[in-house]
Amino acid sequence: QSVLTQPPSASGTPGQRVTISCSGSSSNIGSNPVNWYQQLPGTAPKLLIFSNNQRPSGVPDRFSGSRSGASASLAISGLQSEDEAGYYCGTWDDSLNGFYVFGTGTKVTVL
Amino acid sequence: QVQLQESGPGLVKPSETLSLTCSVSGGSISSYYWTWFRRPPGKGLEYIGYIYNSVSTNYSPSLRSRVTISEDTSKNQFSLRLMSVTAADTAVYYCARAGYYSSGAFDVWGQGTMVTVSS
Repeated sequence: QSVLTQPPSASGTPGQRVTISCSGSSSNIGSNPVNWYQQLPGTAPKLLIFSNNQRPSGVPDRFSGSRSGASASLAISGLQSEDEAGYYCGTWDDSLNGFYVFGTGTKVTVL
Repeated sequence: QVQLQESGPGLVKPSETLSLTCSVSGGSISSYYWTWFRRPPGKGLEYIGYIYNSVSTNYSPSLRSRVTISEDTSKNQFSLRLMSVTAADTAVYYCARAGYYSSGAFDVWGQGTMVTVSS
């Protein structure tokens, strides 16, 4: 059901910068703000970025987001071992009376 | 601090109805979008639907014919009913809240509950 496309995996060494892309269409990312979620194994998703580039209180400024047209991206700078997790973009889709859509998910590995 | 907790049977037989409840603590259930998601084994997150102000609902197009989400403000709970389940409905089910941030982001999540569909 995922209508947003992400790379299945990304990796980096501690301290490096990792970028994850999220590609959608005019009915979702092209029209609505993007949110990003982090999911550690066995835990619930955690909101990481909202409204394209805003961080909730408590989220380190190593995480940043951006949106351009029908695509968005999440950047993790100064990669740390605890960043090893799954990352999902998400937004509302205006088609079919509106519904929430997630990306396919990206597994980040810290080498 | 608002917390969510899912509860319900961990095993449901094929063709029967899956029923889960999400209890909201630390805040009122009023004026937020109370939502259900799921994550099947080995797959990504899937939106099921939400309820807002007890009466306004929105459901995933792929599940709309089988899903009902309701709210009980007296108990500060909301519930999910998914009819005619099959093995494909086996998943970890999460409840979550949106409406604190204007972008519709889901900022509070339950820990999730595993539901297996099997005879």
